[in-house]
Amino acid sequence: DADVTQTPRNRITKTGKRIMLECSQTKGHDRMYWYRQDPGLGLRLIYYSFDVKDINKGEISDGYSVSRQAQAKFSLSLESAIPNQTALYFCATGTGSREQYFGPGTRLTVT
Amino acid sequence: AQSVTQLGSHVSVSEGALVLLRCNYSSSVPPYLFWYVQYPNQGLQLLLKYTSAATLVKGINGFEAEFKKSETSFHLTKPSAHMSDAAEYFCAVYGSSNTGKLIFGQGTTLQVKP
Repeated sequence: DADVTQTPRNRITKTGKRIMLECSQTKGHDRMYWYRQDPGLGLRLIYYSFDVKDINKGEISDGYSVSRQAQAKFSLSLESAIPNQTALYFCATGTGSREQYFGPGTRLTVT
Repeated sequence: AQSVTQLGSHVSVSEGALVLLRCNYSSSVPPYLFWYVQYPNQGLQLLLKYTSAATLVKGINGFEAEFKKSETSFHLTKPSAHMSDAAEYFCAVYGSSNTGKLIFGQGTTLQVKP
């Protein structure tokens, strides 16, 4: 079984809809991250969390919110989706050793 | 602030040829550097990491990278390309202990021709 899982893997939604992307991990890591990937831009950090009570904004948090339901679960929400949020979204986990471990990604299309 | 620049968004090599993917970084502190690979429709997989222990770092699948402080570079190489190496490759630098985030380059797509 994969250490970092994301659901759904693909999602098409309409402008204005609320959508939640979920991430679960079995690695036992405290740190969890949400990134967004756009062609030619690499990955950019949306939110990160060092533990259940610690949530922080990344460089592109506008239009997004997160919830850390447990050490192993970190969800990303788009309260009112817009077309320029069409992207590939990755969840990652990490420790103090600095490398991060990525889930398989969620491809989101907003029409 | 840390940053990463990958030179060349697309690189094409013949099977069996040398692979060279370029990465330059900017960091005000000794950097921690990473190379990740992304195969089609998959997440990012760690290829190798530099954490100051040795300047030549060996990774998985025959890849290696050399840290050159004087050139602020961390180029990725593989002596002989294989068709299965076709993927997108990302160089990243550890941002800071405050955020624990990785700062990624723009990515380089490697094409391997038969």
